Amino acid sequence: DPKIIQKPKYLVAVTGSEKILICEQYLGHNAMYWYRQSAKKPLEFMFSYSYQKLMDNQTASSRFQPQSSKKNHLDLQITALKPDDSATYFCASSQRDKTSNERLFFGHGTKLSVL
Amino acid sequence: QQKVQQSPESLTVSEGAMASLNCTFSDGTSDNFRWYRQHSGKGLEMLVSIFSDGEKEEGRFTAHLNRASLHVSLHIREPQPSDSAVYLCAVSGGSNAKLTFGKGTKLSVKS
Repeated sequence: DPKIIQKPKYLVAVTGSEKILICEQYLGHNAMYWYRQSAKKPLEFMFSYSYQKLMDNQTASSRFQPQSSKKNHLDLQITALKPDDSATYFCASSQRDKTSNERLFFGHGTKLSVL
Repeated sequence: QQKVQQSPESLTVSEGAMASLNCTFSDGTSDNFRWYRQHSGKGLEMLVSIFSDGEKEEGRFTAHLNRASLHVSLHIREPQPSDSAVYLCAVSGGSNAKLTFGKGTKLSVKS
């Protein structure tokens, strides 16, 4: 029974369109993240949110906008899609504390293909 | 900027033989090291985390850290075919969220 739900699992889009990737976590965590895994590249950090506030943004393009409507939701809106955006997008969550040792739990990912 | 390199790119071992995976990192101030596993089409499963030099064991998985050598390794005892997956090394310092990942080692365990 997955505790981090990502929808959809697969997504095909045309260049120039806009898509929203959904992420919900049922672990009671206070922090959520987005990571991206492109073909032949390492998994890379995109955003982190804590208590629904943006903590860190490592994504240069403003076409990527996280949206947190509830504390256990962190969706990712991508506008003006390009073929280079094709990747698997992973959502993760953790319970942030004063140490840096909290454990990240990952969802199964949304595989986006932009044609 | 942190660089994380994993070797080998792929590794095939026989069931029951020890599997050893390597990871080097570039930032000597890193203090948080994790090994994840990713089965095809699945999410990431954390196997072991280590924060100080030495070794840390979690079941059949043992991580060894030597920060002076900028090296962390993962040893899998008695690997089974179900352990066949991509193994990812992740390193961070300061904010835990900004994990920097290596490209992974694809492990195949033959029965």
